[in-house]
Amino acid sequence: QVQLVQSGSELKKPGASVKVSCKASGYTLTSYTLNWVRQAPGQGLEWMGWINTNTGNPTYAQDFTGRFVFSLDTSVSTAYLQISSLKAEDTAIYYCARGRGYSYGYSDVWGKGTTVTVSS
Amino acid sequence: DIQMTQSPSSLSASVGDRVTITCRASQGISNYLAWYQQQPGKVPKLLIYAASSLQSGVPSRFSGSGSGTDFTLTISSLQPEDVATYYCQKYNSAPPAFGQGTKVEIK
Repeated sequence: QVQLVQSGSELKKPGASVKVSCKASGYTLTSYTLNWVRQAPGQGLEWMGWINTNTGNPTYAQDFTGRFVFSLDTSVSTAYLQISSLKAEDTAIYYCARGRGYSYGYSDVWGKGTTVTVSS
Repeated sequence: DIQMTQSPSSLSASVGDRVTITCRASQGISNYLAWYQQQPGKVPKLLIYAASSLQSGVPSRFSGSGSGTDFTLTISSLQPEDVATYYCQKYNSAPPAFGQGTKVEIK
């Protein structure tokens, strides 16, 4: 079935980096765009940006420029989110979600989320 | 940026009740609106897209309406499994912002 399989939870120290993976299964990664969404503990959903899976071109929301990088490896149908110089406030669940419609669109398939905890 | 405001922030209703959640956009977004359900500890799930189109597999007690700036998600007969936080999201232009969420509980 169609699913996005995300990598497991991460515990990192402040200043470190983390790379979250999101593997498309049951469909062709490049047929749809991919969104990234953050949910801080007890908070709502926050759109981080999207990646054009055909061109690899990423677009970042205003609050997610600089330390956040979206990338792809289409040979293994996988998208990645890398966060550098981690801060305590980066502690959150990070979701990848398949985009429908033009560009980012709405999201019809979601990964199970990757919990990133930043703590010394 | 266009802001999305949901009301109420939370509600408590009885099983079988009709429940209505409102989402208002600060500018017109045509019908580029989706609704998601996030049950406690679970992944968000798409319920409605294009303001009123029911996603495949979603129970028919869920419905969406509206266009322009004012939108509504209705649960015609609240069930225990509908306990969740519901989010609207506009996607006509970047950023595709989410509303702040409406928490639905059983009375």
